[in-house]
Amino acid sequence: AQTVTQSQPEMSVQEAETVTLSCTYDTSESDYYLFWYKQPPSRQMILVIRQEAYKQQNATENRFSVNFQKAAKSFSLKISDSQLGDAAMYFCAYRSKETSGSRLTFGEGTQLTVNP
Amino acid sequence: GAGVSQSPSNKVTEKGKDVELRCDPISGHTALYWYRQSLGQGLEFLIYFQGNSAPDKSGLPSDRFSAERTGGSVSTLTIQRTQQEDSAVYLCASSLRAGTGTLNTEAFFGQGTRLTVV
Repeated sequence: AQTVTQSQPEMSVQEAETVTLSCTYDTSESDYYLFWYKQPPSRQMILVIRQEAYKQQNATENRFSVNFQKAAKSFSLKISDSQLGDAAMYFCAYRSKETSGSRLTFGEGTQLTVNP
Repeated sequence: GAGVSQSPSNKVTEKGKDVELRCDPISGHTALYWYRQSLGQGLEFLIYFQGNSAPDKSGLPSDRFSAERTGGSVSTLTIQRTQQEDSAVYLCASSLRAGTGTLNTEAFFGQGTRLTVV
C-alpha cells in the first residue's frame, strides 16, 4: 500500500516571501500521479498542482511549482510571492495509475499561515 | 449543479442515532468517492462508486457504515448507531470517469458534511 507523509504540521511565511512545503511518499509502482490540494476554512479541497511520475519536468502553475525527486520519492510544493489568500491547509496526495478507479491517498496536511 | 453538492453542511446527532449524508456529484461524473477527515487529520478513503456499483468498499470502518448510489448520480452515506468517534468531516468527490487518463480522472470535491456526535 502507498503512504504519504508530510512532516511539517505547521508552516508560516511572510507575505510576498517564498515557502516550501515538504512531502514524501512510499510506493512500489513506477507510474502514478502526485497532487497538492489546498483546503481553506470552507473545507472544499481545491487542486493546486499535479505531477505525472513519468514526466521529469517539474509542474508549475503560476506562483506554485513542485520539486519532484522520483528516486528520493519526494514531492515538495513551492509557493512564491505568498499572498494572504494562500493561507490554508495543504495536502499532498498520491494516486495510482495502475489501478482503475484508484482512490487518492493523502498526507496528514500542513497548515500554512501567511503573515502580513 | 456546477459543483459537487453535499448536504447537510453540518449535522449534530445523539450517540446511537442513525444519520444519512448526501452527495450530489457533478452531472455526468460516473466515479464518486467518499472520504472521512477527522479533526486535524488527512483524508481517509471510505468507498468508491463507478456508476451504481461499488467496486471498492475497503475503507468503510465498520458494518455500521454503508453507502449507496442510485441512478448513477446521488449517493448517500449512512451511519447506523453513531458513536462519538464517528465525529468528522465527510467529504465527497466525483470525477468524469475512473481510469488512468489524467484529464478524465481529476477529482472535484464538495464542501463536506461536518458530523458531530454528542
